[in-house]
Amino acid sequence: NAGVTQTPKFQVLKTGQSMTLQCAQDMNHNSMYWYRQDPGMGLRLIYYSASEGTTDKGEVPNGYNVSRLNKREFSLRLESAAPSQTSVYFCASIRLGTGWSLETQYFGPGTRLLVL
Amino acid sequence: AQSVTQLGSHVSVSEGALVLLRCNYSSSVPPYLFWYVQYPNQGLQLLLKYTTGATLVKGINGFEAEFKKSETSFHLTKPSAHMSDAAEYFCAVSSYNQGGKLIFGQGTELSVKP
Repeated sequence: NAGVTQTPKFQVLKTGQSMTLQCAQDMNHNSMYWYRQDPGMGLRLIYYSASEGTTDKGEVPNGYNVSRLNKREFSLRLESAAPSQTSVYFCASIRLGTGWSLETQYFGPGTRLLVL
Repeated sequence: AQSVTQLGSHVSVSEGALVLLRCNYSSSVPPYLFWYVQYPNQGLQLLLKYTTGATLVKGINGFEAEFKKSETSFHLTKPSAHMSDAAEYFCAVSSYNQGGKLIFGQGTELSVKP
């Protein structure tokens, strides 16, 4: 049981390049989330997927797209990277349903992205 | 709308001293409150959470937090700091109608001096 896995762990991009961050979970969770972490700002929600086949914008969605490929996988795409997207990206998942607060949201180890 | 404020971006304590990390929240509906810990170059791990019921919540590694509705606070404490407690700590808020989405505070880095 690997939990939440993310690839790559580290990436350097040039402004304007594109890339996809991959996230997978093996806990049969139905909901998945992408957050970005910046110094002094905590974590902010980019996009989330409440269930397979649905995605919704979070607090900071501009410049990003997502795909919920199946129940296990939720990818984040940067179509044209900008220096402002330099950050650490975390994927998370939880079994969402009635009484979801009784569940635990699990986080991946993060992807460090540097955009030059 | 919900929000979280953590007072103090950096807290330093001596080993064996009391740890107190402050968190205040804003929520128009009954809140769910969480404390997460992040060790260097790792993801976030849940320390404890409050949803309903007992307002004093005990978590892992000897940490506890008390939900005080009148003060809109959820401060994290540990009676005696250990070197291994050095990490960044995040307070977060959500509620029953937020679909698992968390609103995080800006984080507090805890340093423990020998």
